[in-house]
Formats: sequence, C-alpha cells, structure tokens
Amino acid sequence: NAGVTQTPKFQVLKTGQSMTLQCAQDMNHNSMYWYRQDPGMGLRLIYYSASEGTTDKGEVPNGYNVSRLNKREFSLRLESAAPSQTSVYFCASSSLAGGITDTQYFGPGTRLTVL
Amino acid sequence: GENVEQHPSTLSVQEGDSAVIKCTYSDSASNYFPWYKQELGKRPQLIIDIRSNVGEKKDQRIAVTLNKTAKHFSLHITETQPEDSAVYFCALTPSGNTGKLIFGQGTTLQVKP
Repeated sequence: NAGVTQTPKFQVLKTGQSMTLQCAQDMNHNSMYWYRQDPGMGLRLIYYSASEGTTDKGEVPNGYNVSRLNKREFSLRLESAAPSQTSVYFCASSSLAGGITDTQYFGPGTRLTVL
Repeated sequence: GENVEQHPSTLSVQEGDSAVIKCTYSDSASNYFPWYKQELGKRPQLIIDIRSNVGEKKDQRIAVTLNKTAKHFSLHITETQPEDSAVYFCALTPSGNTGKLIFGQGTTLQVKP
C-alpha cells in the first residue's frame, strides 16, 4: 500500500498562475482533507471531504477550490496564485464511520512557492 | 470556532529527562485528541491518541492524559532520546461528526545528548 500520495513534491509559480495539487489514497478511506502549514501556525484546514460527493470549507478556504474526483482522489486548485499562498500543503485521509473519528494519515506534502 | 492552545512553543531537555507538552481547548463536545510528531521535512505522523471516555493512555515511553473538566490534555515523554527531537502537534475534533481536526501551533522539542 502506498498510503497517501501527493504530486508534485515541489512547485514554483508566478503570481496569477493556476495549478492543481493532486492527492490519492489507497486505504479505502471515506474522508479526505487539505491542510496548509506555515511556520509557527501549525496545520490549518483548507477544505475537506467527509465522504465521496461532498466537500466543505475549513478554516482558510479563500483562494482555493477542491474536487473529490472519486473515493480515492481529492484535488486542490489555486485559480490565481498569490505570494500569501506560499506554503507546504498536506493532504490527509481517514476513516469516518458512525461518527467515530479515526487516525488521519498524511501525504508527503507539496512545497509551493509563489513569486 | 474551536481553538487549541499549545504550550510551550519550544522545549529543550537533556537526554533521559522527561518532557511535557500541554494543550487547552474550549469545546466540551470534542471527543478525540491525537498527537502528531513531525520530523524536519517530513509528514506529520500519529504517535498516540485518546478518546473522551478515557483519562490516560500509555504506549512505552509516551503517555497522554486528558482532563475533560478542565479542558486540557497533555503529552508526556519519559527517558527522552535524541531521536525524539521533532515538532509535536496536539489536535482535536471539534463538535460535529465530520472527522476534521483542529491543530495546536506545535512544540519544537530538542533533546540534547
């Protein structure tokens, strides 16, 4: 099992460019999440998908969109990148059944720099 | 929304000493409290978790305690080793069964040999 995978590992964008970060999991989890990590700020939730077909905003959704393509894949899109979106992005997944939260497993992260 | 305060932000101990990190929260409906360890340049990984129906949980040198009345939970690492050096994050599930986590700001632990 590969667990949670993310592509790309690194990306440099110019202000105004767009890109999509890809995430996939092979653990048959129903819930998936996108976080950003900035120095001294911990991990902040951008968007999440509690189950296939649903998506919801987290703490910092502005400037992002998501797509839950199927049960395995959850992508994050930056339509017009800004320097404030320079960060490390982590995707995670977990099993949520009967309202019982289980461990979240993280991908390796994407380091994004916006110039 | 729910907020998690984590202290201290940095902690330096001698090898063999104990380390304690504390998190406080406000939402009494929170019922799941995991702790993650993140080594430099790596992904966060779960090291221990506790649910609200339990007051303490132990796994070898690591333990977590939960005080629901006072709304705080703590990570205890005994007999620290240099490989324990990392950033540690507490987290919790806010009210509502969505599975999402709210993270503390992190504690950088340095274990000096």
